[in-house]
Amino acid sequence: GAGVSQSPSNKVTEKGKDVELRCDPISGHTALYWYRQRLGQGLEFLIYFQGNSAPDKSGLPSDRFSAERTGESVSTLTIQRTQQEDSAVYLCASSLVDRNYGYTFGSGTRLTVV
Amino acid sequence: QKEVEQNSGPLSVPEGAIASLNCTYSDRGSQSFFWYRQYSGKSPELIMFIYSNGDKEDGRFTAQLNKASQYVSLLIRDSQPSDSATYLCAVIRSSGSARQLTFGSGTQLTVLP
Repeated sequence: GAGVSQSPSNKVTEKGKDVELRCDPISGHTALYWYRQRLGQGLEFLIYFQGNSAPDKSGLPSDRFSAERTGESVSTLTIQRTQQEDSAVYLCASSLVDRNYGYTFGSGTRLTVV
Repeated sequence: QKEVEQNSGPLSVPEGAIASLNCTYSDRGSQSFFWYRQYSGKSPELIMFIYSNGDKEDGRFTAQLNKASQYVSLLIRDSQPSDSATYLCAVIRSSGSARQLTFGSGTQLTVLP
């Protein structure tokens, strides 16, 4: 596609429920990244995919968070048993394998846990 | 010490002035440096990248890198109200195969008409 697409754009869920966030990267971008941005805060790295493998999962905050990617395409970020502190905007980005050119971000999923 | 530090601001400049945004980083081996602009409620968009010491100019924007001082800055000439946004500094660290960008917390810029 022309840009990085994320869905849903907004999600309100009850505490304790599971949620699944989706990211569709730019076609041909082999690298895919998930970040979290809490209100008024900076971007917090969660996980990086190269192809469908995840060389760096160091940013996942707990075992309630998991992510997978199918080939060099769609990725899903799953949060199990959501907590109120999970409320944030979840941003996905993709890039060519050459990291010197930075990323293109999607418009994000705003997650609110009530 | 944070890996990437920015003055959170807010920084206010009058229209037409030069806005100067600063960033320091802790990993001396960092190789690539980026400036993103984020409008309120929107996702970050890439403005500039730089990986050699010195200045890099693109239109009204100039990125400056000083690896010895571990310092990178962004100058915005002839600032416009539409430049009002949060500016995020980001680096790619040197450790291992790390490819992810590490972001600062951003500097909020307001350009006053």
